[in-house]
Parts: sequence; structure tokens; C-alpha cells
Amino acid sequence: DAGITQSPRHKVTETGTPVTLRCHQTENHRYMYWYRQDPGHGLRLIHYSYGVKDTDKGEVSDGYSVSRSKTEDFLLTLESATSSQTSVYFCAISDSGQGGPDSNQPQHFGDGTRLSIL
Amino acid sequence: AQSVAQPEDQVNVAEGNPLTVKCTYSVSGNPYLFWYVQYPNRGLQFLLKYITGDNLVKGSYGFEAEFNKSQTSFHLKKPSALVSDSALYFCAVRAKYSGSARQLTFGSGTQLTVLP
Repeated sequence: DAGITQSPRHKVTETGTPVTLRCHQTENHRYMYWYRQDPGHGLRLIHYSYGVKDTDKGEVSDGYSVSRSKTEDFLLTLESATSSQTSVYFCAISDSGQGGPDSNQPQHFGDGTRLSIL
Repeated sequence: AQSVAQPEDQVNVAEGNPLTVKCTYSVSGNPYLFWYVQYPNRGLQFLLKYITGDNLVKGSYGFEAEFNKSQTSFHLKKPSALVSDSALYFCAVRAKYSGSARQLTFGSGTQLTVLP
């Protein structure tokens, strides 16, 4: 398995509180991603990073922010959690490969964080 | 915009029988196509990918997938199913020339159950 650690693995919190999820990799991969998984929706991209301090929005970025100050760490923050953000969150990484930006390297996933917002 | 459809939420098959999990896609230009498997309380695991060339792609655990450009399909297959193949399967697509984003679009998933 790729060296990806997500923390915490489970969290229960209340509406309106800030929440930060952490993704740590030991593979030195350039690209990192945050997804949420909800029944009937598959995985949807929240934010991604293509280098230290280089991030961009995905499909469902509203209510989320990210930061990447080091290659190995990618943080996802819910500034003021809402019940609609109850979900399972996955971090993924991928390498640059030989082909540059259009390389076809697969993404590798962590084991997820189950977040419940009451 | 790119999209993936997995028309079956649930597929049941008897152990030893062949299995097929269906996937169709929509993307501008040439696609990169992927299959992933997810076991309970785990992240997605990469199974195989189609980049170019041979339309039949072989992957991990005896799985293979057939790329059909005219039907925009990438169905996952295995000649003989095992009970241990029971899991949630996701198809994903990315346009070949998508720049730094490399955004994958996933289908909604198909739950495969192999019956003993």
C-alpha cells in the first residue's frame, strides 16, 4: 500500500465548529487530492494540490479550504461545519510520472476519515 | 465536462461464473480510464487502467477490462468470480490532455456480490 495516513480516522463534532483533517504521505508524490464519498455520488473532488502552496478547487469546494506547506502534508479545513458535510473523506496522491502534466499515473488512496456533524 | 455512468448499483454473480461490471464514459478527446475496488472501511485500490493501444487491459487479481471507443465503454470483467471479489467497484475517467488538474471523475459505484 502507498504510504498515506489520514487522521483522525473518525470524528464526531457539532455544527458550527471548525474541523481540520490531515493527510500525510511518505511517497514524495507531487499531487494530492481531497475527495468526499457519499452514497449514490461516488467520489467527488473537493480540492487538489499540484505542489507546495499550489492548490485549486474541485467540483464541491464550497465550505472547504486546504493548505499544503510541505510536500508530505495536505490539510482540509471545514471552517464552520454543517450537517451536509457529514461524509467519508479520502485523501489521494499521484506521481508526476514520465509524461509531465498529461502522465497517466493512477491515484492512490488513504483509508479515509469518517466525519459526523451533529 | 467529463462524466462516468455505472448503470448497475448492484451485481450478483455465482462463484465460478464470469462477471461483468459495466461502465460508460463521456470526455472530450482521448480518455484515460481506470477501475478501482473498495473494500469495507478501506480506501480505493487501483485495479487497472487504459491509456492507449490494446483494447483489452489486464490488471490485478485476474481482472481485465475492454475498451470500446465506438460505444464509449470500459467494462470490467473476470472469467471466474471468487467470493473474495465481493466489493464496491468504481470506474473513473480523465481526459488525456487535462493539464495540471488531472481531475478524475468517478462513477457512482457498483456493489458486486459473489454468492458461494
